[in-house]
Amino acid sequence: AQKITQTQPGMFVQEKEAVTLDCTYDTSDQSYGLFWYKQPSSGEMIFLIYQGSYDEQNATEGRYSLNFQKARKSANLVISASQLGDSAMYFCAMREGRPLSGGYNKLIFGAGTRLAVHP
Amino acid sequence: IAGITQAPTSQILAAGRRMTLRCTQDMRHNAMYWYRQDLGLGLRLIHYSNTAGTTGKGEVPDGYSVSRANTDDFPLTLASAVPSQTSVYFCASSDSRGGVNNEQFFGPGTRLTVL
Repeated sequence: AQKITQTQPGMFVQEKEAVTLDCTYDTSDQSYGLFWYKQPSSGEMIFLIYQGSYDEQNATEGRYSLNFQKARKSANLVISASQLGDSAMYFCAMREGRPLSGGYNKLIFGAGTRLAVHP
Repeated sequence: IAGITQAPTSQILAAGRRMTLRCTQDMRHNAMYWYRQDLGLGLRLIHYSNTAGTTGKGEVPDGYSVSRANTDDFPLTLASAVPSQTSVYFCASSDSRGGVNNEQFFGPGTRLTVL
């Protein structure tokens, strides 16, 4: 079974509008972490935002926010006021269990969603 | 050097040849990882290392080996390359000093084609 599911292979959004990228996850652990990464056409992976399973509030980082619905096991990324530079692949990832000593994190990635921002 | 570097940037390799992808980080992170990225599959973990001297298998380790002789370097070796190993390879690192998130920092990737 897929641990991380991103059901939208591609998304389009108009510049300055908000867009939501979906991510659902599957785990039996009570403690876990959810990450979003951005991969522009240049290929590098850029960390965007993190949500811990015990965090009571949704994570926010500038124009990025994470709509965390624990009961539904979803962790959707919301990008407000889209910019042309937001066009990229976006990956949702999960760490099952607590962070291990030394910082080791075993991440499971989804297949990604390609976002295109139109002027 | 700032962050993680990978070499080569890209490589075309004949099947059956041996190849080592290099990865060096200057952040003194304890943990390092190798992923392969394939269309429609996202990133899959090949091997990882919690700390210098230790390594472990990820989701897709067959055909690959790693070593971690020191904190900074984490080379990935394909002993006898096969076409199914055509992929983009990413090296990453993380450390608990980055906070509870322990987010992974990625290198620029190596695009490998096995013919």
